[in-house]
Amino acid sequence: DAGVIQSPRHEVTEMGQEVTLRCKPISGHNSLFWYRQTMMRGLELLIYFNNNVPIDDSGMPEDRFSAKMPNASFSTLKIQPSEPRDSAVYFCASSSQGWGSTDTQYFGPGTRLTVL
Amino acid sequence: AQSVTQLDSQVPVFEEAPVELRCNYSSSVSVYLFWYVQYPNQGLQLLLKYLSGSTLVKGINGFEAEFNKSQTSFHLRKPSVHISDTAEYFCAVRNQAGTALIFGKGTTLSVSS
Repeated sequence: DAGVIQSPRHEVTEMGQEVTLRCKPISGHNSLFWYRQTMMRGLELLIYFNNNVPIDDSGMPEDRFSAKMPNASFSTLKIQPSEPRDSAVYFCASSSQGWGSTDTQYFGPGTRLTVL
Repeated sequence: AQSVTQLDSQVPVFEEAPVELRCNYSSSVSVYLFWYVQYPNQGLQLLLKYLSGSTLVKGINGFEAEFNKSQTSFHLRKPSVHISDTAEYFCAVRNQAGTALIFGKGTTLSVSS
């Protein structure tokens, strides 16, 4: 299996621009997570999908952030408009079980976003 | 609410020395604990997890961790480290809703020869 795939690996953009991060979970996994990693705040959960439905989006910072999962094999995280404080590494993870699961989460390699 | 505290942000050790990375948790519900490792420029990888049963959990790459309920700790240990163990290590607890993991700030393990 190819593992969780994220694209792009690096993104540099200017403040005010729209940014779209993409994730392909492991085939057969029905849970998908978006995390953000910064030096100041560490790893934070942004949103959790189960069977393509957003279950917990309490970690989404503000309305500038949105996430979708149109099908079981694809998810996007969009920031519009982007701000310098959004600079971070964004990870996507997937697991094979859902709510209440203790199953292993498999992480992608991350997208390093820099907003100038 | 659950939380995780990793007591050391950086741990430098020499090759073949033993190491312990400390983790304390706070939880009012059943505890499920995890250690993940992040190598440079990579995503996180599961080292081991405690769900129930034996308090000593063995993981990959020779790591083990001990769940101590009275001390609310889940310290990670390895008897002899290698240069290749240089990485960032994250302790995590499952959140109360059971939907995701709450991570500590991480401990950077630096192994030198």
